[in-house]
Amino acid sequence: DVKVTQSSRYLVKRTGEKVFLECVQDMDHENMFWYRQDPGLGLRLIYFSYDVKMKEKGDIPEGYSVSREKKERFSLILESASTNQTSMYLCASRAWAGYSYEQYFGPGTRLTVT
Amino acid sequence: QKEVEQNSGPLSVPEGAIASLNCTYSDRGSQSFFWYRQYSGKSPELIMSIYSNGDKEDGRFTAQLNKASQYVSLLIRDSQPSDSATYLCAVIASGSARQLTFGSGTQLTVLP
Repeated sequence: DVKVTQSSRYLVKRTGEKVFLECVQDMDHENMFWYRQDPGLGLRLIYFSYDVKMKEKGDIPEGYSVSREKKERFSLILESASTNQTSMYLCASRAWAGYSYEQYFGPGTRLTVT
Repeated sequence: QKEVEQNSGPLSVPEGAIASLNCTYSDRGSQSFFWYRQYSGKSPELIMSIYSNGDKEDGRFTAQLNKASQYVSLLIRDSQPSDSATYLCAVIASGSARQLTFGSGTQLTVLP
């Protein structure tokens, strides 16, 4: 079974704090993603990584950075949290499934910045 | 124009009926199509994938793909209240660096 885990289900942080969101997958997938999901805006891609030490900006990278030191772990970092970063954060990983990639999500982290 | 479009709903069907969810996409070169189910407060769960024109069945779910008309649909037979969720259509378009593009989702309610 595909398994993607995220370090926290709920997180409350203060404005200006540095926030780390951790994601771990146990399927040896090369590709990993970070999204945020907000009502009315849908899923938006923040960053992705196709391999260890590799990272690419998604559609909304501003205010975020990522780290991928090991294949199974992809971390999202909010350098200085702001209230507009209050959101549901979803990590995903994917692998080739014979014809195409199939992507699986972790349970999500609901972050509130006060 | 959005790349992947879905009717946001809400769509309500009675228990036991067939729920029909539709999705259109703009990139004619798209090759891979997916349906995710997302319960309120939870993360999306992959329920169907389809790559070829025609129908693909998995239990009560049938995905239908028509590349000429650029639409993909999901039918849920014998709908149950537990099927009440938001259904997201997702596409890997030809020029998207193999990334998924998601629709905004259709909210389905199955009435007991």
